[in-house]
Amino acid sequence: SQQGEEDPQALSIQEGENATMNCSYKTSINNLQWYRQNSGRGLVHLILIRSNEREKHSGRLRVTLDTSKKSSSLLITASRAADTASYFCATDTGANSKLTFGKGITLSVRP
Amino acid sequence: EPEVTQTPSHQVTQMGQEVILRCVPISNHLYFYWYRQILGQKVEFLVSFYNNEISEKSEIFDDQFSVERPDGSNFTLKIRSTKLEDSAMYFCASSLLGGNTIYFGEGSWLTVV
Repeated sequence: SQQGEEDPQALSIQEGENATMNCSYKTSINNLQWYRQNSGRGLVHLILIRSNEREKHSGRLRVTLDTSKKSSSLLITASRAADTASYFCATDTGANSKLTFGKGITLSVRP
Repeated sequence: EPEVTQTPSHQVTQMGQEVILRCVPISNHLYFYWYRQILGQKVEFLVSFYNNEISEKSEIFDDQFSVERPDGSNFTLKIRSTKLEDSAMYFCASSLLGGNTIYFGEGSWLTVV
């Protein structure tokens, strides 16, 4: 498998529920970033977590990072229909910051 | 909020033609990137650019690709002789420093026919 693999590949939930998406990676990282992409649109940056951080919050988003397990999770609380999108984790390994993306998770939030 | 802007949003071109995709990165950013996403696939790194030169490129970024920063604001990707398999969404991105948040533009859809 490749750097930045998310699971599940698709997630369907009811509005108001929480959505948890996971990402695993293979090599040591410098940073891990989560992005959202609405269909056919650009990548919107959600949150960056550094390798020496374990948890970060931004509004309804909570990201955790476990470098011992080489994994990260993105939690969206109290989901809304507008959260329907694809979510990607992306890692970089150094100052050059080249990002390696996973295949993404398709989140559907039913009104 | 500052953003990365890209033009055109969509371009259709004949196979073998040259294409230039344009980007205006966020004004005080120092690192610039091009990525692409073939329909239904993951986002792939093409090239990074810093201090007026390529700092890293992927295997995808072969001799038919080139990048340029012709002035203080624009950052362009040129595909010299397009192939059908170059059809993809091309994203420009920038970051203030290496190891910082990377901001992406809305993308340029390239369709090669």
